[in-house]
Order: sequence, then structure tokens, then C-alpha cells
Amino acid sequence: NAGVTQTPKFQVLKTGQSMTLQCAQDMNHNSMYWYRQDPGMGLRLIYYSASEGTTDKGEVPNGYNVSRLNKREFSLRLESAAPSQTSVYFCASTRSLDEKLFFGSGTQLSVL
Amino acid sequence: GIQVEQSPPDLILQEGANSTLRCNFSDSVNNLQWFHQNPWGQLINLFYIPSGTKQNGRLSATTVATERYSLLYISSSQTTDSGVYFCAGGLGNQFYFGTGTSLTVIP
Repeated sequence: NAGVTQTPKFQVLKTGQSMTLQCAQDMNHNSMYWYRQDPGMGLRLIYYSASEGTTDKGEVPNGYNVSRLNKREFSLRLESAAPSQTSVYFCASTRSLDEKLFFGSGTQLSVL
Repeated sequence: GIQVEQSPPDLILQEGANSTLRCNFSDSVNNLQWFHQNPWGQLINLFYIPSGTKQNGRLSATTVATERYSLLYISSSQTTDSGVYFCAGGLGNQFYFGTGTSLTVIP
């Protein structure tokens, strides 16, 4: 039982490059989330998917797109990376708002 | 969105000491959770505690939902307790996080 798996763990991009962060959970959870963590700012929600087939913007969605590929997988895409997107990205999932939230191990992204 | 305030922002303890971390919410939330982020960056869910009190070993948490706050107690602290503690409240389909309490336990 792997829980929430994120890939890659580390990535360095040049400004303007694109990439997709992958997230998969094997707990049959309905809701999935993408957060970014910056020093002193806690975790900020980028996008979430309350259930398969739905996605919604969070607090800081600009510059990102998401795809809920199926119940297990929720990907985050940076179409044209900017230095301001240098951050640690976490994927999380939960069965419902009435249950625990579980996190992946994070992706450390640097945009030069 | 909901504002989440955590206190204190930083805490240094001698091993064996006890501590209380606090989390205040600007509005009512449907659930409340506490997380520990270890020095390697991994986020571990400590408690799901929308109301009442729960205990897990040396850790316990109390949420007073009507007054929109929660407390995390750490007793007999150990160096492995070091890291950042976050609380988060759920409302609608979202979770709102505080900026964390950074705890350092020194031997």
C-alpha cells in the first residue's frame, strides 16, 4: 500500500519550459489536491478535484493546469515555468472532508 | 477563505519538556487536522479532530469547535518531535492551512 505517490522528487527547469507533475493514490480516495509550500507561507492550495471528473481552482491557480485522469491520478502542469513557481509541491488525497488528509512526499521544483 | 493563525511561530524546548501549540480559525470549519512535517519534508497526519479530545501516545489534541480553536499537546518531548506542526481546517471541498509552528527539541 503505497499511499500517495508523486513524481518526480526533484526537477530543475529553465524559464519558459513546461512540465507535468504526476500524482497517484491507491486508497480509493475521492478528493485530490495540489498544494505549494513556500518558506513562511504554509501550504497554499493550487487546484483540487473533489471527485473524479471535476476540478476547481484554489487560492493560487495562475500559471497552472490540472487533469483528473481517473480516480487514482491527478496531474499538475506548468505550461511556461517562471522563477516565481520555484517551490515544493505536494499532492494530497482524502476519501471525504470528514476523514484524514494524506500527503505525498513532495516535488522540489526550481525554475532558473 | 478562512484565516488560520498558529502560535507560537517558533518554539525551542529542552528534551523532556512539555508544550502546547494553538490554532485559531477565523470561521467555523467542518473538520480540523494536525500535521507534523519532519526535517525531511514529509507531512504526517497526526490527528483528525473536528471536536473533543484525542490522544496518541505522548501527543494529544483538543478542539473546541464552538470557539474556533484547537490545541496540540506534546508531552515529554523528544528530538524526533522536531519539525513544523501545521493545523488545517476543512470547509466546502477545501482545507485551509496555518503557517505552522516550528519546533526544535534540543538534547
